[in-house]
Amino acid sequence: GAVVSQHPSWVICKSGTSVKIECRSLDFQATTMFWYRQFPKQSLMLMATSNEGSKATYEQGVEKDKFLINHASLTLSTLTVTSAHPEDSSFYICSASLGQETQYFGPGTRLLVL
Amino acid sequence: AQKITQTQPGMFVQEKEAVTLDCTYDTSDQSYGLFWYKQPSSGEMIFLIYQGSYDEQNATEGRYSLNFQKARKSANLVISASQLGDSAMYFCAMREFYQYSGAGSYQLTFGKGTKLSVIP
Repeated sequence: GAVVSQHPSWVICKSGTSVKIECRSLDFQATTMFWYRQFPKQSLMLMATSNEGSKATYEQGVEKDKFLINHASLTLSTLTVTSAHPEDSSFYICSASLGQETQYFGPGTRLLVL
Repeated sequence: AQKITQTQPGMFVQEKEAVTLDCTYDTSDQSYGLFWYKQPSSGEMIFLIYQGSYDEQNATEGRYSLNFQKARKSANLVISASQLGDSAMYFCAMREFYQYSGAGSYQLTFGKGTKLSVIP
């Protein structure tokens, strides 16, 4: 199956700092990448959808100025949490797909903001 | 209204027995897809099985099968011969096409999940 990597796997940062998370499709070119957030014991909630070379589409309630998404190539998307606060602590997980095809998920990034 | 409903927060099954995890969905689209993912404690989302809305036969993948009842809008996952390694969260998800600002994409909506525990 298709492989998607995420880096870092976990990060601890101080409140007010920015954190960048990378998502890469390793063995296929992804036309679309997705970013999800998962709080403990809850389901995945879609944050945004991004297509290579175009602006991301954010879900309602997700601040686009706080969660910056850059989809620079068909194999790389980045999520930057700007001026992180403790309430941003969560499990962030990306996925990549080829159009209608199955979404393949990265291993996730655990963010803890102190 | 919830698009994906998983009514079982937790399930227990004896090792080597079969278990059914329930999933119902709500959509007015004719074309959609249904997925099951497994999430172990490590957090990764592992794709298990897929059923397209036009597929007439139930999907099967090894020990996993999807009991697709379109009229009832249900897509239950059946795991046969449970193993200890099957203990995890299981999420049902539906793929629909969303149009926005002249573009669009296929997006997944997830249910709340079912925590499966396999007992030795």
